[in-house]
Amino acid sequence: GAVVSQHPSWVICKSGTSVKIECRSLDFQATTMFWYRQFPKQSLMLMATSNEGSKATYEQGVEKDKFLINHASLTLSTLTVTSAHPEDSSFYICSAVGQGEGNEQFFGPGTRLTVL
Amino acid sequence: GQQVMQIPQYQHVQEGEDFTTYCNSSTTLSNIQWYKQRPGGHPVFLIQLVKSGEVKKQKRLTFQFGEAKKNSSLHITATQTTDVGTYFCASGNEKLTFGTGTRLTIIP
Repeated sequence: GAVVSQHPSWVICKSGTSVKIECRSLDFQATTMFWYRQFPKQSLMLMATSNEGSKATYEQGVEKDKFLINHASLTLSTLTVTSAHPEDSSFYICSAVGQGEGNEQFFGPGTRLTVL
Repeated sequence: GQQVMQIPQYQHVQEGEDFTTYCNSSTTLSNIQWYKQRPGGHPVFLIQLVKSGEVKKQKRLTFQFGEAKKNSSLHITATQTTDVGTYFCASGNEKLTFGTGTRLTIIP
């Protein structure tokens, strides 16, 4: 149980285009999902908290107009990187809090974005 | 905001040797979680510690939470090649703050 999927697993796009990444909880409902960004050989940095039915909460320094988050249902959150530039190239990972004991997070497999 | 530091940043060990990574915070932590991320993969939850001085074991892995709840350690006994990856500590009640990670490589 507690499987989180992400699509696509990798994407290459031209500078200036927008890219949408989907995060789905496959066997449980997630009122809250999280979006992280991880640059090579670095730790995970929380970008935003995605709340079902309400606006996302962004961490300091993350541009909400550039990284659009939509949590349309209890099993789906999307992150759209708008007008992507090479510096946006990174590994984007979503997670959802499980429904078991504690507050362990279940991570999606990640999406590797390369902006040319 | 809360910062969680990990040392060492990198560790290369001979297969069969032990390995330890340390996690330190300047503030008291409500809990500590440990995750493992294989190269090219995503973080996988290992364990959560909540109580002061708590010690938990998973086969060759031993996790400790400091008495002051400001530090934690993960110790692996007799490393195997399957232990390769980056180990992160993290803390938070809902939003997690991740440590800087320790990248473990094993020399066969």
